[in-house]
Amino acid sequence: EVQLVESGGGLVQPGGSLRLSCAASGFSFGSCWMSWVRQAPGKGLEWVANVKQDGSEKHYVDSVKGRFTVSRDNAKNSLYLQMNSLRAEDTAVYYCVGAPNSYYFDFWGQGTLVAVSS
Amino acid sequence: EIVLTQSPATLSLSPGDRAALSCRASQSVYTCLGWFQQRPGQPPRLLIYGASDRATGIPARFSGSGSGTDFTLTINSLEPEDFAVYYCQQCVNWPRTFGQGTKVEIK
Repeated sequence: EVQLVESGGGLVQPGGSLRLSCAASGFSFGSCWMSWVRQAPGKGLEWVANVKQDGSEKHYVDSVKGRFTVSRDNAKNSLYLQMNSLRAEDTAVYYCVGAPNSYYFDFWGQGTLVAVSS
Repeated sequence: EIVLTQSPATLSLSPGDRAALSCRASQSVYTCLGWFQQRPGQPPRLLIYGASDRATGIPARFSGSGSGTDFTLTINSLEPEDFAVYYCQQCVNWPRTFGQGTKVEIK
């Protein structure tokens, strides 16, 4: 069974940092593009970042460029999102998502909530 | 950035009805378009990829059509579990973008 389990969310002040983690199991993690997609409370979906199977290619939405860094450790079947200089508008549930290619988002975790507030 | 506009925002239907959801792209995405379903309190689930191919395990009552800038997700004979929010997503350009969603609610 495919499982993606996010952790690391919580309440942080504006300007602060958080590191999200995603533990993957039940599929060939090293064969998949991995992404972070977020959803602000009561709002729609927004793709944030993704990383190629070997980590050689990464993409980000403009609003997080220079502040967020996506990375992966295939030996640990884990995906990460380092979030710096957090803003109120970064408040959302962050989903870890996997897919065999970079086009779609096939399997999703349950998400972890990040709240940015003073 | 490619903008996806979904309509209507809300669709009020009864179980057994047919639902037709629209997604329009600001420029051609060819057939690089997916559809997702999100039930309350759940993560999204991929329904359709490549504009018309059903993902693994998706019932045949779900079908997708269209190419270029205009796409439709059709749900034949709505089941109780189909009342949810549906999103389209394009995969031809970075950033990947989603539509704002269509809520299918019970009439």
